[in-house]
This record gives sequence, structure tokens and C-alpha cells, in this order.
Amino acid sequence: DADVTQTPRNRITKTGKRIMLECSQTKGHDRMYWYRQDPGLGLRLIYYSFDVKDINKGEISDGYSVSRQAQAKFSLSLESAIPNQTALYFCATSDSGGSSYEQYFGPGTRLTVT
Amino acid sequence: QKEVEQDPGPLSVPEGAIVSLNCTYSNSAFQYFMWYRQYSRKGPELLMYTYSSGNKEDGRFTAQVDKSSKYISLFIRDSQPSDSATYLCAKDIGGATNKLIFGTGTLLAVQP
Repeated sequence: DADVTQTPRNRITKTGKRIMLECSQTKGHDRMYWYRQDPGLGLRLIYYSFDVKDINKGEISDGYSVSRQAQAKFSLSLESAIPNQTALYFCATSDSGGSSYEQYFGPGTRLTVT
Repeated sequence: QKEVEQDPGPLSVPEGAIVSLNCTYSNSAFQYFMWYRQYSRKGPELLMYTYSSGNKEDGRFTAQVDKSSKYISLFIRDSQPSDSATYLCAKDIGGATNKLIFGTGTLLAVQP
């Protein structure tokens, strides 16, 4: 079984709809991240969480919110989706007691906002 | 200027060729430099990392950091079709935060 899972894998939604992307991990890591990936822009950090009570904005948090429901679960919400939020979204984890250079990524969610 | 700049490619080479992938960075306040590999429809996976400067070799792959010129390179020898993927360079921001800054990625196709 995959260590980092994301649901759904693909989603098409309409402008103005609320949508939630979910991430679960079985690696036992304390740190979790949400990125979006766009052609020509690479991976950009949306939010990150160092533990259940520590949530921080990344470089592009506007229009997004997150919830860390448990150490193993980190969800990303788009309160009112807009077309320029069409992208590939990745969840990642890391271990604060491990290396600072390694993050473990989920398979991604392809989101299309029409 | 972005902190990490990477030529997006695409780069197409014949099987067996030596591949050179490059990034430049602008902020020297970090220690780890990484290469992540991302296959189509998959998440990125750590391929190699180097600490500070110099070379690190792992099989057909060599990661190199030149701090004087702020250049990060990945060399692939005897490239294989299975090496076809997007390669992302990255650096940490220091302070044991686990936060990484990624380049835009270079799409590599190795033709059989």
C-alpha cells in the first residue's frame, strides 16, 4: 500500500464550488505539506503543518485553507474554486527527526475548474 | 529572480547518451541540494542529494554543486529509456525546517 495517499485522484468542478482534497499518510511523519504544480512554474508550497496544532502559510496560500485533522491526515480546501486553481496538487510528508532534504510525495490530484 | 532556476526543456537524447541537467540558485543560505525525479502521473521522489559543495555519485548518476558559480548539476551516464521523467532540482531553506524550494523541472526523454 502507498505510504502517502490522496483522494480524489482526478476532479472536475465548476467555478464557485467548494472542494476538498484529502491526504493520508502511514509513514508516521509529523510534517505535512500541500503543493501545487503548474507547467513552467514548478512546485509551489501552499500550506505546511509541522504538527497537528502548527499550520503555516506557504508562498501561495490565498484562496486555500487547510485542516490537520490528525497527525496522519491533512486536507486542502478551495472555498470558492476559480479556473486559475486548475493544477496538479501534491501532498507530501517529512520527518522532523530525519533528513531536512527528503519529502515523500503522494500521487497527486489533478483538479480542473471550469 | 526565482531562488532556483531550471531550464524546462524538453530534452531528448538517444539511449546511451550522457545527460547533463542544470540549475542555478541565488541564495547561498542553505546546505542541502537535491534532485527529485518525477515519472508521468506520479509524485516526485528523491533521487540524490548533496551537502554543501562537491560531487556525489550513485551508480549512473552524479550530482554536482559548484558554490562559486551557484550551479547545481545532475549527470546521467549511459542513459536508459527508463530514465525518461521530469527532473526537479531543489534546495532546503536551512534551519531544519524541512521546507524545500523547487526548480520548475526539466522533462527528459531518452529514445530507444
